[in-house]
Amino acid sequence: EAGVTQSPTHLIKTRGQQATLRCSPISGHTSVYWYQQALGLGLQFLLWYDEGEERNRGNFPPRFSGRQFPNYSSELNVNALELEDSALYLCASSLLPNSPLHFGNGTRLTVT
Amino acid sequence: AQKVTQAQTEISVVEKEDVTLDCVYETRDTTYYLFWYKQPPSGELVFLIRRNSFDEQNEISGRYSWNFQKSTSSFNFTITASQVVDSAVYFCALSSSNDYKLSFGAGTTVTVRA
Repeated sequence: EAGVTQSPTHLIKTRGQQATLRCSPISGHTSVYWYQQALGLGLQFLLWYDEGEERNRGNFPPRFSGRQFPNYSSELNVNALELEDSALYLCASSLLPNSPLHFGNGTRLTVT
Repeated sequence: AQKVTQAQTEISVVEKEDVTLDCVYETRDTTYYLFWYKQPPSGELVFLIRRNSFDEQNEISGRYSWNFQKSTSSFNFTITASQVVDSAVYFCALSSSNDYKLSFGAGTTVTVRA
């Protein structure tokens, strides 16, 4: 069974640009979660999608957005990038809400 | 609001020593779930265990054991006879049946020296 896959592995952008991160969940999982892991800030919940709808959102500004496609894959968009957006962005999927999350290897975003 | 506290930032032990990781949580929900995840140097978060709020039975899985005590809002994790491969960051996390958002503690970095 293929795990959660994320692309790209690394992404380098300059301040003010937009970044798009992609995630494919485990087959059969309909829920996708996005987390930001910034140095010194731990794992912060960003977004939760289920059945194509945004179900919950963390304490992040609106320039962090995303969507979930009919095949349950998801993308995270970060507009007007700031230096402090540099972090590891982790995607996870689950079979049901409150089921264990299965994480991908993450996308390392660097904003210069 | 939910909160998970892992007071230990770093723990360093010599191989074969036991190590206990503390986790204290706060929630107003009566139905909630507690988790432990491991993040090795490779970066991928690996699920270790889930406990629901109605199941206070302790669990042992190989060298890993978990002690859930609702009275003290704690869900501690012990690695017995630690090995170098246990070196990782360990996260405790909490979710509720209300919002399904998984809230993580700050993590404890465990270093096991040969």
